Amino acid sequence: GNSVTQMEGPVTLSEEAFLTINCTYTATGYPSLFWYVQYPGEGLQLLLKATKADDKGSNKGFEATYRKETTSFHLEKGSVQVSDSAVYFCALSEGAGGTSYGKLTFGQGTILTVHP
Amino acid sequence: EAGVAQSPRYKIIEKRQSVAFWCNPISGHATLYWYQQILGQGPKLLIQFQNNGVVDDSQLPKDRFSAERLKGVDSTLKIQPAKLEDSAVYLCASSLETRTLRNEQFFGPGTRLTVL
Repeated sequence: GNSVTQMEGPVTLSEEAFLTINCTYTATGYPSLFWYVQYPGEGLQLLLKATKADDKGSNKGFEATYRKETTSFHLEKGSVQVSDSAVYFCALSEGAGGTSYGKLTFGQGTILTVHP
Repeated sequence: EAGVAQSPRYKIIEKRQSVAFWCNPISGHATLYWYQQILGQGPKLLIQFQNNGVVDDSQLPKDRFSAERLKGVDSTLKIQPAKLEDSAVYLCASSLETRTLRNEQFFGPGTRLTVL
């Protein structure tokens, strides 16, 4: 079945540091890949997505590139802020033609804390 | 545009009691999802509806969990009887469509269930 593995956390950084959160996946076919963010006390929000190989998703200074050859979708940000403190989830959605098209499979989440 | 609404936000019950959660998706969204998020883990899909029909309930513990979406709009998830391991956040999400690129899922704030 489909699965997503995220780097173990938590991650603690100083403001303006570079961020990488690793994500690898196992899936049949051609899944879409997502990063969701959950700020304290709030619901899950879509941060960025990529729907095919070599696509780069970007939003709010965050980026991730769909790498089919390494089955990865690592999240990066060049300079983090205190307001980026949250839990980040990598997820995949099976491609069209799959029996579970639309269903999201999530990684376990990575807690990010950014200190001033 | 109003987001996905869920109630209650918090619920504490004793084991073997029953509990029900309610979700109202974004207006016009045909697809509705219920996820279970256990502390420290990513959300796991319990059931997916397309209008008022079930698309995927393979991960729903049917001996104790049930869900319905009678008029293809709002939905109710029930647990009867609850077990300690059901303590989790129950997330509802909706999407405009499933089998197209307009399948972004929007999440509600969740219901935090504690079973004592």
